[in-house]
Amino acid sequence: GESVGLHLPTLSVQEGDNSIINCAYSNSASDYFIWYKQESGKGPQFIIDIRSNMDKRQGQRVTVLLNKTVKHLSLQIAATQPGDSAVYFCAEGSGYSTLTFGKGTMLLVSP
Amino acid sequence: NAGVTQTPKFQVLKTGQSMTLQCAQDMNHEYMSWYRQDPGMGLRLIHYSVGAGITDQGEVPNGYNVSRSTTEDFPLRLLSAAPSQTSVYFCASSYLGGTQETQYFGPGTRLLVL
Repeated sequence: GESVGLHLPTLSVQEGDNSIINCAYSNSASDYFIWYKQESGKGPQFIIDIRSNMDKRQGQRVTVLLNKTVKHLSLQIAATQPGDSAVYFCAEGSGYSTLTFGKGTMLLVSP
Repeated sequence: NAGVTQTPKFQVLKTGQSMTLQCAQDMNHEYMSWYRQDPGMGLRLIHYSVGAGITDQGEVPNGYNVSRSTTEDFPLRLLSAAPSQTSVYFCASSYLGGTQETQYFGPGTRLLVL
């Protein structure tokens, strides 16, 4: 979900659980959507992307779902591991690579 | 490839001082951009460039200048630093068009303006 004020929404899961991180985007004309992972003290790292003409895309342990009707994007992480703990951002873009980022969700994975 | 590199990693400035944040990439990417990230916020676009000699403003350009004299380098200049510019700055690059629209981010520069 989206953050309010200075506090990021946080999702806490146990190791081995499946995680679902949600994002509401704003521009119905966006061509593509990207999920990034940001670990503490590092820059964002690409996880997976999806184009607007798709509704699902799978990667290694991750799946992105796109619902254009309600402008909603989700990231599913299977068998979540402690190393998945990070802040996850969705981003939307169109045309040249100008992206608009969401505010992020913090994922905390406990052993 | 070194990817996207940024210098310095940390910087403390006094109000009114000027400085340049350096960004370089060795992937021959046409597109380069600067973002700032504030606590609890996503990344906000400051300036971007689609090739050497071409720059444009993003969402929050005020107080910042950029230039793109080469494909590899995209420096960000703070002309007169203000406390509101305290932030973490990320540089990113990518190919233009096609199917490769992912941006590669540098490690960031943490700036404190007193």
